[in-house]
Amino acid sequence: DGGITQSPKYLFRKEGQNVTLSCEQNLNHDAMYWYRQDPGQGLRLIYYSQIVNDFQKGDIAEGYSVSREKKESFPLTVTSAQKNPTAFYLCASSIGDTQYFGPGTRLLVL
Amino acid sequence: KQEVTQIPAALSVPEGENLVLNCSFTDSAIYNLQWFRQDPGKGLTSLLLIQSSQREQTSGRLNASLDKSSGRSTLYIAASQPGDSATYLCAVRLDTNAGKSTFGDGTTLTVKP
Repeated sequence: DGGITQSPKYLFRKEGQNVTLSCEQNLNHDAMYWYRQDPGQGLRLIYYSQIVNDFQKGDIAEGYSVSREKKESFPLTVTSAQKNPTAFYLCASSIGDTQYFGPGTRLLVL
Repeated sequence: KQEVTQIPAALSVPEGENLVLNCSFTDSAIYNLQWFRQDPGKGLTSLLLIQSSQREQTSGRLNASLDKSSGRSTLYIAASQPGDSATYLCAVRLDTNAGKSTFGDGTTLTVKP
């Protein structure tokens, strides 16, 4: 089956710890995105990548980092600089005008 | 800066009713507008995409309209069913770069049997 997978489904972070969220797609899409969703709110763009080895900051990039070494993978690291990381994180990819979303990772702080 | 508003934040209707969800945006120079469905704790599923040159799109019981000049889009759901219960989000893109999409906060729909 073609699609986008995110892992883990739930992730717990301790104070001062960096954590990495995985996003993999087998749709052969060039563009990939990371969004953050807080309760009762829409999505806010963290980072996006339109091609391998290139990525751009979105609206709320501070405290996050990404890499795009392979077309199918776009991991997101939540660094210790992100002081309020508790949220639902969604990865997406696109070809043409439509975005396709993964199932999400819920990040909680211990 | 583009702002996207969805009203109401929540809506509850009896099964079988026709309903309209609203999406308004401040910058009318959009590239396209997309409606998504989100089930609790899940990712987003694309429902309908309207290009800036189009007035409406239809898929089954769903119909989305776009009025750029007034900065509005509506999602019409006919003969609602309990399975339609979900949060509906609209996203507006200003140009060909999909990374420039702005999302509304969504309308949470409950369809009662």
